[in-house]
Amino acid sequence: GESVGLHLPTLSVQEGDNSIINCAYSNSASDYFIWYKQESGKGPQFIIDIRSNMDKRQGQRVTVLLNKTVKHLSLQIAATQPGDSAVYFCAENKGSTGGFKTIFGAGTRLFVKA
Amino acid sequence: SAVISQKPSRDICQRGTSLTIQCQVDSQVTMMFWYRQQPGQSLTLIATANQGSEATYESGFVIDKFPISRPNLTFSTLTVSNMSPEDSSIYLCSYMWGGSTDTQYFGPGTRLTVL
Repeated sequence: GESVGLHLPTLSVQEGDNSIINCAYSNSASDYFIWYKQESGKGPQFIIDIRSNMDKRQGQRVTVLLNKTVKHLSLQIAATQPGDSAVYFCAENKGSTGGFKTIFGAGTRLFVKA
Repeated sequence: SAVISQKPSRDICQRGTSLTIQCQVDSQVTMMFWYRQQPGQSLTLIATANQGSEATYESGFVIDKFPISRPNLTFSTLTVSNMSPEDSSIYLCSYMWGGSTDTQYFGPGTRLTVL
C-alpha cells in the first residue's frame, strides 16, 4: 500500500558535522512534503516543507531535497548541534475524501555526539 | 503560528473508564486533527475534527471508541472510551490554518497509561 518510510531508524553524528536524513515515499500523487522534529516529551515541531514543483528548499541550517523521479526526500542539517538530537519525521500530504490528510513516516532518531 | 495546548498532559487510568482530552488553540483555525502515537512509533491519524458536524474517522477508529467534539474554531475534545491497556499511548491534537498553507502544528500531547 501507500507509505512514507525512512531508510535508517537511527543516525549518530559528531557535533559540527552535517546530518542527512532520508525518506522514501510511494504516492506519486502527493504534492506537499514536510519534515517535523520531535523532542522527547513534546509534540512534533514543523521544520521545513517543500512542494512537488520544487526540488530544493533551504531554511536556517536545514535544506530539504526532493527527487520525484525516485520518490525520495532528504533533510540536511548543517553544523549539527546537540540541540538537534531528536526524532525526525517526514510526512506527505495526500488527498482523501472530504479533504486531505498527512501521512507520517516511521521516524529517524538523530543522536549528536559532543 | 498559534499557541496550542492540551489538558491533561498525562494521566493514569483504570481499564473500563473513559478519559476526555481537551485541545485549545488561541486563534481560530480551519482544521483540527487528533493523532495517536504509541511508544517509539510514528503518528497515526485518528480523525479530523469538523466544526459543527461529526468527525471524520480514519480506518480502524470508530466514533463509539473515540468520540470527538469541536464546538467552535478554537477547541476540540477527544474521549477515549472504555479504556484497555492497549489504549496506552500519547494522544496529540494538531491544527491547520487552511488557505494556501497545508502545514500542521501540534500540541504537546497527552500521555495516557491504562492499568
